[in-house]
Amino acid sequence: AQSVAQPEDQVNVAEGNPLTVKCTYSVSGNPYLFWYVQYPNRGLQFLLKYITGDNLVKGSYGFEAEFNKSQTSFHLKKPSALVSDSALYFCAVRAFPNDYKLSFGAGTTVTVRA
Amino acid sequence: ETGVTQTPRHLVMGMTNKKSLKCEQHLGHNAMYWYKQSAKKPLELMFVYSLEERVENNSVPSRFSPECPNSSHLFLHLHTLQPEDSALYLCASSQGGATNEKLFFGSGTQLSVL
Repeated sequence: AQSVAQPEDQVNVAEGNPLTVKCTYSVSGNPYLFWYVQYPNRGLQFLLKYITGDNLVKGSYGFEAEFNKSQTSFHLKKPSALVSDSALYFCAVRAFPNDYKLSFGAGTTVTVRA
Repeated sequence: ETGVTQTPRHLVMGMTNKKSLKCEQHLGHNAMYWYKQSAKKPLELMFVYSLEERVENNSVPSRFSPECPNSSHLFLHLHTLQPEDSALYLCASSQGGATNEKLFFGSGTQLSVL
């Protein structure tokens, strides 16, 4: 079975400060890891993915994520948060190479205050 | 817009009603998905269709019945639902078959069962 855990329901930061959203995963074999973002009244939007290669992955809107195999983590980061980054963030994992199922976490609500 | 359109946006139904959710994608994708989103819970994958054939069915109760008449359209037929089925139902699509990792989501149908 594969799963992800997002240990924080909510993250609050001030605009301009660094933002980190935590994710740990569990999967048999090599993981495909993803982050999606959901703005109010919208569906999820793809942010970035890790398949193989560099442990630091860059994505949309200035976000990046760091893959750490020993800690089975894939934390999402942004050096300087914006108010417009306030949204619900989901981490997801799929087992390589041919699992149809993309398993999502419960989501972390990010609030960036001006 | 993501190219995935869901209707209706909101639906209120009684437990004895029969209704259908509709999803249409304009992206030329060949895989489509239904997910259930409940507050503070991981997204639940309900059904996956690849090339119009169902390839995943995660032990979903029979009161939910999917239909995929072609690669652009996906339906979720509902009957005799329970109040705990109230949730946001998300449709998604992807290119290259269901193993492709990047999903495009619709805005969802917010379902309330009375």
